[in-house]
Amino acid sequence: KAGVTQTPRYLIKTRGQQVTLSCSPISGHRSVSWYQQTPGQGLQFLFEYFSETQRNKGNFPGRFSGRQFSNSRSEMNVSTLELGDSALYLCASSSGDREGQPQHFGDGTRLSIL
Amino acid sequence: GESVGLHLPTLSVQEGDNSIINCAYSNSASDYFIWYKQESGKGPQFIIDIRSNMDKRQGQRVTVLLNKTVKHLSLQIAATQPGDSAVYFCAEKKQAGTALIFGKGTTLSVSS
Repeated sequence: KAGVTQTPRYLIKTRGQQVTLSCSPISGHRSVSWYQQTPGQGLQFLFEYFSETQRNKGNFPGRFSGRQFSNSRSEMNVSTLELGDSALYLCASSSGDREGQPQHFGDGTRLSIL
Repeated sequence: GESVGLHLPTLSVQEGDNSIINCAYSNSASDYFIWYKQESGKGPQFIIDIRSNMDKRQGQRVTVLLNKTVKHLSLQIAATQPGDSAVYFCAEKKQAGTALIFGKGTTLSVSS
């Protein structure tokens, strides 16, 4: 079974631009969660989508948004990029239909803001 | 606050030794716990999980212990190998529909 796929792997943007990151979950998984990982703050939860609906949201500004498509693929968008948005953005998928199911992560998109 | 932490940021062991990585959690309502391994340039890789109705769970060369009385979680790796060198994160989940909360990680270095 193919794992979680994130594209692109690396991205360089400048302040004020916007960016869209993509995540394809493991086949059959309906839940997709996004995390931001930085050396200072560690892994922080952004949001979770399940069956095209946002089910949970972390404490990030409205510049961070996401969506999920009917095939469970998900995108996250960051608008008006700031230097502090430089991070590794990780996507994780799980079946999402019952508790106690582990999330499986992709290798992330490394976003650098100049 | 509600966070999952780890006791030591780094741990160095010799190849063949057993490793123990510790984690303290603060929310007694958490009912699901996971250990992840993250190698350089990769995303976290699922190692093992445990539910709050269990005290111990074993996998291949790994054991997770959960002590709910003192809110402590540990990961034991038997016969540690150089390939086990990575950052290890524990994570907790409170209830249905909530997010995983991650600790800050312990870097395990294995020397041969």
